[in-house]
Amino acid sequence: AQSVTQLGSHVSVSEGALVLLRCNYSSSVPPYLFWYVQYPNQGLQLLLKYTTGATLVKGINGFEAEFKKSETSFHLTKPSAHMSDAAEYFCAVTLPSGAGSYQLTFGKGTKLSVIP
Amino acid sequence: GAGVSQSPSNKVTEKGKDVELRCDPISGHTALYWYRQSLGQGLEFLIYFQGNSAPDKSGLPSDRFSAERTGGSVSTLTIQRTQQEDSAVYLCASSLAGTSGRREQYFGPGTRLTVT
Repeated sequence: AQSVTQLGSHVSVSEGALVLLRCNYSSSVPPYLFWYVQYPNQGLQLLLKYTTGATLVKGINGFEAEFKKSETSFHLTKPSAHMSDAAEYFCAVTLPSGAGSYQLTFGKGTKLSVIP
Repeated sequence: GAGVSQSPSNKVTEKGKDVELRCDPISGHTALYWYRQSLGQGLEFLIYFQGNSAPDKSGLPSDRFSAERTGGSVSTLTIQRTQQEDSAVYLCASSLAGTSGRREQYFGPGTRLTVT
């Protein structure tokens, strides 16, 4: 079974500062990895995903993440935080194929606050 | 509609009552998923429908929970004899054929269920 650990349930950054949200995973096979964002009272929106190929993945709103197999990590970064980035972020993992490949396993989430 | 829709957006019910939650997936999406988001457990997979195949009910927490999908489109999640621990946000997602983890899941805004 796969699992996801997100370090830090709350992260605060100043506007314009680097955003770094940490995600580590556990999986018996190389997984597919996702970052979702959730704004208050809304559903989840996909920021980016890693399936195969280039390990540095760029997503929407200036976010990117790097898949590091040796560290079993998929940390999310953004060079300069904007007030509109304040939201909750979820890292998720799934298997590439076979039973359970359709099922996302989520981390507990990290709530990002941006200080003006 | 452009996205996944869910109704009602909020539901308050008394302990012991039955509730039905509805999900309208994106047109053309054959895969449909239900997840539950609660403070204690985070985001949990509940059930998965793919076309006419038997659903994967492995995530349903008890036999009080059931779901159906009529005509390969609209889905209803039913909770019988609701308990206070059922209070959560119930999220529905849909995707193109879900047998590969590559398929992006599009989430609805959720139904917030409160059991008093």
